[in-house]
Amino acid sequence: GDSVTQMEGPVTLSEEAFLTINCTYTATGYPSLFWYVQYPGEGLQLLLKATKADDKGSNKGFEATYRKETTSFHLEKGSVQVSDSAVYFCALRGYSTLTFGKGTMLLVSP
Amino acid sequence: GAVVSQHPSRVICKSGTSVKIECRSLDFQATTMFWYRQFPKKSLMLMATSNEGSKATYEQGVEKDKFLINHASLTLSTLTVTSAHPEDSSFYICSARARVVNTEAFFGQGTRLTVV
Repeated sequence: GDSVTQMEGPVTLSEEAFLTINCTYTATGYPSLFWYVQYPGEGLQLLLKATKADDKGSNKGFEATYRKETTSFHLEKGSVQVSDSAVYFCALRGYSTLTFGKGTMLLVSP
Repeated sequence: GAVVSQHPSRVICKSGTSVKIECRSLDFQATTMFWYRQFPKKSLMLMATSNEGSKATYEQGVEKDKFLINHASLTLSTLTVTSAHPEDSSFYICSARARVVNTEAFFGQGTRLTVV
């Protein structure tokens, strides 16, 4: 079945540092790929998505590129802020349902 | 973007009682709604999928008699945790998707359930 593997956290960074959160997937066919963000005590918000190979999703300074050859969708940001502290979930959608990774907590200190 | 409202955001109940959580799509018709449970330090686990007007489809290992799901209208789905136990304490999140093919699902704010 479909699965998503993302790096374990927490990831601890200083403000303005470069962020990478790795995500790889296993799926049949051509899934759509997503990154969701969950701030403390809140539900999930869609951060960005990519629907086909080589697509780059971007939002709020975050980027991720759909790499079919490496089955990856790594999340990057050039300069993180304290307000980016949250849990980030990588997810894929095959036919109809979403499959999530376990989430990676990001902690950004001033 | 579309708004999905989940209520209540937090609830504390006694063991043995039932708790109802509502999930509403505020500005679109949600033909499909999903209910997830989130365990500490773990991912979201899909509990069930419900389509308006039909019975919910439960994932393996989810007790349908304990977690009652009703999707009575295109804007409302409810999850009722019956005869709650402390191990049911968790964060429950709903998401809703419109009828349009390949449209995104939008998530509610989540409900923190604590059973004492």
